[in-house]
Formats: sequence, structure tokens, C-alpha cells
Amino acid sequence: AQTVTQSQPEMSVQEAETVTLSCTYDTSENNYYLFWYKQPPSRQMILVIRQEAYKQQNATENRFSVNFQKAAKSFSLKISDSQLGDTAMYFCAFMKPISGNTPLVFGKGTRLSVIA
Amino acid sequence: DARVTQTPRDKVTEMGQEVTMRCQPILGHNTVFWYRQTMMQGLELLAYFRNRAPLDDSGMPKDRFSAEMPDATLATLKIQPSEPRDSAVYFCASGPGTGVQRETQYFGPGTRLLVL
Repeated sequence: AQTVTQSQPEMSVQEAETVTLSCTYDTSENNYYLFWYKQPPSRQMILVIRQEAYKQQNATENRFSVNFQKAAKSFSLKISDSQLGDTAMYFCAFMKPISGNTPLVFGKGTRLSVIA
Repeated sequence: DARVTQTPRDKVTEMGQEVTMRCQPILGHNTVFWYRQTMMQGLELLAYFRNRAPLDDSGMPKDRFSAEMPDATLATLKIQPSEPRDSAVYFCASGPGTGVQRETQYFGPGTRLLVL
């Protein structure tokens, strides 16, 4: 079974600074997908970024980018120019696609606080 | 702006009562998931459907939980009888299953359940 580990329960960053959230996973699969979801206090789960394992290029979405190291099974999220609205829980998630969408396996999350 | 909807948003009930949670997936999405979020266990899969057929409900306590999709626009999760340990946030998510980014899941706002 796949597992996802987020080793940082809590982190904080000054507004406008850069922060990196760590995620490692364990799988014997060669093809899979990785995701970062954001959960603000409203509790809505919001997709931040996704990465396909067979793509070597790291995904980017505006201020959010990932460092995907397939051999090391590492998938970290970098947030640049942090904003107060980035304050939230961040979850790393793994999916093994079998004929389409399949259940996500989540890490325990990292609580990020952006400080003014 | 297509989104997953869930009702009710919050529910307080007494132990032993029946609880029904409803979810309307995004139109055209063929895969629907139910996840539960607790402080202790994090986010975990309860059940999921593809084209309305149940594919995996191994995460559900079978004696008290049931999940159904009466039609393509409605998914239900029922707990009967409810117990205090069922207190959690229950998320519904849907995914397109085909096309671009078919592996992405879109979450509803969740139902926060408190069983007294």
C-alpha cells in the first residue's frame, strides 16, 4: 500500500518570503500522480498543484512550484512571495491511476502560518 | 463555475439517530468519492463510485454506514445508528475520469458532523 509522509506538522513564514513544505511517499508503482491540496479555515479542499510521475519537468502554478525527485520519492511544495491568504493546512496526496480517477492517499498535513 | 455541493454543511445529532449526507457531483463527472477527516486519522477514504457503481467501500463500517448513488446527480452517505466516534468532517469529491486532467478530484465544502 502507498503511504505519504509530511514530516513538518507546523511551519511559519514571513509575508513575502519563500517557504518549502516537504512530502515523501512510498510506492512500487512507476506511473502515478501527486497533488498538493490547500485547506484554509473555511475547510474547503482546494487543489494547488498536480504532478504526473512520468513528466520530468516540475509543475508550476503562479507562486507555487514543486520539486519532484522521483528516485528519492520526494515531492516538496515551494510557495514564493508568501501571502496572508496562504495560511492554511497543506496536504500532499498520491494517486495510482487505474482506468481513470482513483482514491487519493493523503499525508497528515502541514499547518502553514504566514506572519505579517 | 461548476462545483461539488454538499448538504447539510453542519449537523449536530444525538447518538443513535440516523444521519444522511448528500452530495451533488459536478455535472459530467463519472467518479464520486466519500472521504472522512478527523484529527486522529486525517483524511481517509470511505467509499467511491464510478458510473454510479460502487468500487470500494472497504473504509466504511459496514454495520452502520451505507453509501449509494440513486442517480448520476446525487450521492448519499447514511449513518444508522450514529455514534460519537462518527464525529468528523465528511467530504464528497468528484472527478471527470476522462479528458484533460481526468485524475483531478474536486472537493465539496464538507459536512461537519457532531454526534453527542
